[in-house]
Amino acid sequence: GENVEQHPSTLSVQEGDSAVIKCTYSDSASNYFPWYKQELGKGPQLIIDIRSNVGEKKDQRIAVTLNKTAKHFSLHITETQPEDSAVYFCAGPNSGGSNYKLTFGKGTLLTVNP
Amino acid sequence: KAGVTQTPRYLIKTRGQQVTLSCSPISGHRSVSWYQQTPGQGLQFLFEYFSETQRNKGNFPGRFSGRQFSNSRSEMNVSTLELGDSALYLCASSVGQGGETQYFGPGTRLLVL
Repeated sequence: GENVEQHPSTLSVQEGDSAVIKCTYSDSASNYFPWYKQELGKGPQLIIDIRSNVGEKKDQRIAVTLNKTAKHFSLHITETQPEDSAVYFCAGPNSGGSNYKLTFGKGTLLTVNP
Repeated sequence: KAGVTQTPRYLIKTRGQQVTLSCSPISGHRSVSWYQQTPGQGLQFLFEYFSETQRNKGNFPGRFSGRQFSNSRSEMNVSTLELGDSALYLCASSVGQGGETQYFGPGTRLLVL
């Protein structure tokens, strides 16, 4: 099945700095890669997603880049704020091609220090 | 639109019992997926239902089952509970055809004693 590895597991930055989280995947047929943010006591919230026909996507302070050749994708958060502190998960579709069956990375605990 | 709702939010059961969790998707969404989240294993896919049919299945034992009703609401059932079933159970809904983006509910926290 699909294997998604996520690094780093923890990341601490100063407010205003940038944060980058990287994920690699194993199934070259994967074509959909969402990112989720999970705050304590809540369910994961979709923050951005990208499809394999696009190399980069931006939404205000958040961007995702995809390198299909190397099979990795990254989340970039610029001008971080304390409210960005949360656990972030990347995901990819499970092998077999179903985008409704996601395999998640282990998560990155991001701490933004004021 | 209202988001995905899950009931109950918290549940305490003992080993050997069974439990049923409920999920109401976003209005108009026909696909419902279930995930188990634990500190050790992270987020793991259980199964996905679309139009009352199980369309995808994860690698969980047969004690874990689900169903979907004609109004797209879904339930999952765990029989003969084990201590290791203690987890946050998350439900996610998506349009189902032509739209696979999944939106998660707040989850049901299950504790098995």
